[in-house]
Amino acid sequence: DAKTTQPPSMDCAEGRAANLPCNHSTISGNEYVYWYRQIHSQGPQYIIHGLKNNETNEMASLIITEDRKSSTLILPHATLRDTAVYYCIVRVGYALNFGKGTSLLVTP
Amino acid sequence: DGGITQSPKYLFRKEGQNVTLSCEQNLNHDAMYWYRQDPGQGLRLIYYSQIVNDFQKGDIAEGYSVSREKKESFPLTVTSAQKNPTAFYLCASSIQHRALIGGGYTFGSGTRLTVV
Repeated sequence: DAKTTQPPSMDCAEGRAANLPCNHSTISGNEYVYWYRQIHSQGPQYIIHGLKNNETNEMASLIITEDRKSSTLILPHATLRDTAVYYCIVRVGYALNFGKGTSLLVTP
Repeated sequence: DGGITQSPKYLFRKEGQNVTLSCEQNLNHDAMYWYRQDPGQGLRLIYYSQIVNDFQKGDIAEGYSVSREKKESFPLTVTSAQKNPTAFYLCASSIQHRALIGGGYTFGSGTRLTVV
């Protein structure tokens, strides 16, 4: 599996866009990029996933660079409830491996 | 509503005892997974099962055992052979083990196991 690199922590002001980067320079052609988030002591929650094209859903947008070596998760209008650990995962196949993720703190 | 139920939420065990964590899903998902999470760490895969009566070891299977006698159930036993069992345990399920369609994994709310 391709390895991912994320900053350990980020801050964002409430109402502003939160842009969470992820590097996955060894990604292969058939590996998807997934984003999950985990609020303290709960199970992770699926946010979005993509292969090549940018994706958007009701929660977030996923921007994948043309060479697929990095991606950015965008929360367009962050709220206090978006404070969580965000995991960027690259995998094809049976199981997802979660690294340490980025701890996002949304401040008032 | 469909979902995954893990029980109990908190569990205490004496050192040297086996303990079984329950995981039940009514999502009609084929695949189920067990993860372990330690403080400040990501999730590590213990075991997974693609179909009934079949399961595979994950990255940290030593000291754990599972069974998959029913599609809905995937209990995890933490045996006395597990050296550091105190952790947060998460169960998950997915529609297919290879192609994660739509929402991908669904997670339970976890069981926090403490060895006393």
